[in-house]
Amino acid sequence: DQQVKQNSPSLSVQEGRISILNCDYTNSMFDYFLWYKKYPAEGPTFLISISSIKDKNEDGRFTVFLNKSAKHLSLHIVPSQPGDSAVYFCAASPNAGNMLTFGGGTRLMVKP
Amino acid sequence: EPEVTQTPSHQVTQMGQEVILRCVPISNHLYFYWYRQILGQKVEFLVSFYNNEISEKSEIFDDQFSVERPDGSNFTLKIRSTKLEDSAMYFCATTAGGFNEQFFGPGTRLTVL
Repeated sequence: DQQVKQNSPSLSVQEGRISILNCDYTNSMFDYFLWYKKYPAEGPTFLISISSIKDKNEDGRFTVFLNKSAKHLSLHIVPSQPGDSAVYFCAASPNAGNMLTFGGGTRLMVKP
Repeated sequence: EPEVTQTPSHQVTQMGQEVILRCVPISNHLYFYWYRQILGQKVEFLVSFYNNEISEKSEIFDDQFSVERPDGSNFTLKIRSTKLEDSAMYFCATTAGGFNEQFFGPGTRLTVL
């Protein structure tokens, strides 16, 4: 079951540059998308979300883009900071409040 | 900032034993979830709970699993007879509902020997 897929298991970026994390989905019923950040031995921490009626949502250094026709979303972090180093999960739901289906995660390493 | 709490942080048990994992949701939240993450694998949905009943469950959530909100504050996940493959991190999540994100607790690491 690969309804939500993050094809890059890891990404390394220099501090101050842009980090772009990608996520693809197959289920056209998904209507609500979220990004979570996870440190080892902690639970996922919510970062940003987007509903399918939008194609972009920004919150500070984080921007999520949604391309519904391509069933693709991406998370941009600008500028990247060493503290951003973590595993990033995208998640999708047919409706806000429903179960989340997670991707496999991308480990981001931001080098000073 | 309000947060979801989970106890214990780590539980070690023998195969076949019952375990109860506990979660204290954020106080005004109405929807509750359990997820698990087996080491090296994806975070997987187990069950959602609203208005004192299960609203959705996955194939993983078989008859060995149950959830309840015994006292109106704690939200518990019980595994009746643990198997080796139940070893995982178990995360509780809660949301106020509507277009609101799910907040996750820190997790309980369950080790079945």
